[in-house]
Amino acid sequence: GENVEQHPSTLSVQEGDSAVIKCTYSDSASNYFPWYKQELGKGPQLIIDIRSNVGEKKDQRIAVTLNKTAKHFSLHITETQPEDSAVYFCAARLEGTASKLTFGTGTRLQVTL
Amino acid sequence: ETGVTQSPTHLIKTRGQQVTLRCSSQSGHNTVSWYQQALGQGPQFIFQYYREEENGRGNFPPRFSGLQFPNYSSELNVNALELDDSALYLCASYGVDTGELFFGEGSRLTVL
Repeated sequence: GENVEQHPSTLSVQEGDSAVIKCTYSDSASNYFPWYKQELGKGPQLIIDIRSNVGEKKDQRIAVTLNKTAKHFSLHITETQPEDSAVYFCAARLEGTASKLTFGTGTRLQVTL
Repeated sequence: ETGVTQSPTHLIKTRGQQVTLRCSSQSGHNTVSWYQQALGQGPQFIFQYYREEENGRGNFPPRFSGLQFPNYSSELNVNALELDDSALYLCASYGVDTGELFFGEGSRLTVL
């Protein structure tokens, strides 16, 4: 089955700096890679996703990159704000498995003033 | 706002009891899945339902079972509760058009 590793487990940045979270996956048949933000006491919220036929995707301050050859994908947050503080999860989905995602272990991002 | 609602939000059970958790999916989403999230970990896939049939299961024993109803609402049932079943249980609604998965806020289960 698929296995997803995520680093770092904690990340502290100053407001306005950039944050980068990296994930690797094991199964080359995975073709969909979403990122979720989870605030305390809430469910995961989809913030951006990328499919295997695309190398990069941007949405305002958030971007995701995918390197299929190396089986790496990364989340980039620019101009961080205190409200970006949360736990971020990467995930991967094997082609044809609909709603079955394999999640990473999470990154706790803290944005300090 | 994902349109996925879960109940109850919190509950406490004792070891050996049974529990039923409920979920209402986004309108038009005919695939629902359930995940278990232990404290400090990522969500783990339990199973998914499509058109009222289970069609995918993760590494969970048969005492975890589910139902999906014609109106796309669903239930997760857990029998013979164990202490390790304490977790946040998440329901997710799958949009086949977009391939995106939207989660509810979860039901936090504590087993004493």
